[in-house]
Amino acid sequence: AQSVSQHNHHVILSEAASLELGCNYSYGGTVNLFWYVQYPGQHLQLLLKYFSGDPLVKGIKGFEAEFIKSKFSFNLRKPSVQWSDTAEYFCAVSNYGQNFVFGPGTRLSVLP
Amino acid sequence: DTEVTQTPKHLVMGMTNKKSLKCEQHMGHRAMYWYKQKAKKPPELMFVYSYEKLSINESVPSRFSPECPNSSLLNLHLHALQPEDSALYLCASSQEWQYPEQFFGPGTRLTVL
Repeated sequence: AQSVSQHNHHVILSEAASLELGCNYSYGGTVNLFWYVQYPGQHLQLLLKYFSGDPLVKGIKGFEAEFIKSKFSFNLRKPSVQWSDTAEYFCAVSNYGQNFVFGPGTRLSVLP
Repeated sequence: DTEVTQTPKHLVMGMTNKKSLKCEQHMGHRAMYWYKQKAKKPPELMFVYSYEKLSINESVPSRFSPECPNSSLLNLHLHALQPEDSALYLCASSQEWQYPEQFFGPGTRLTVL
């Protein structure tokens, strides 16, 4: 069965700092990868997804993620965070014939 | 239309009430899902419907009763809930069951008093 881990439970940054949130998965076959964001009190929003092709994926709101197959990783990055990026971030993995699996989430707090 | 809609957005109910949550999609998807999400936790799968048949029930208490009247609609009937059932209830759909991409609705925020 697949599993997803996210390195940090809570990340605190100042505005304009660079962000990298780690995500690792355990499945050895072909995977599809997602990052979701959930702002306080709001619903899940898809930030970006990777199915195939260029391993560097660009998403909404200036976020990007890099799929490194050899490291089973799909880390999320943003060069300069804003206070409005304060949210919970979930990595997720899926594949044909498998259920959708979410990571435990990373809470990002951006200080103004 | 790549949207999953859910009603109501918010619901407050007492422990003796009966209420229903509704989910709708018009993407022609044949699999629909209910998830429960507690604050600051990832969504947890509750039920999966595939071609309008219940395929997975993740040991959910019987006070939650899903229903799939047709391929576009998914309901979750609630009865005799407990305060610990307060959570965000998310609906999702995908082209087929265990298809890689799921589309999530905005959720219903449920409070049980």
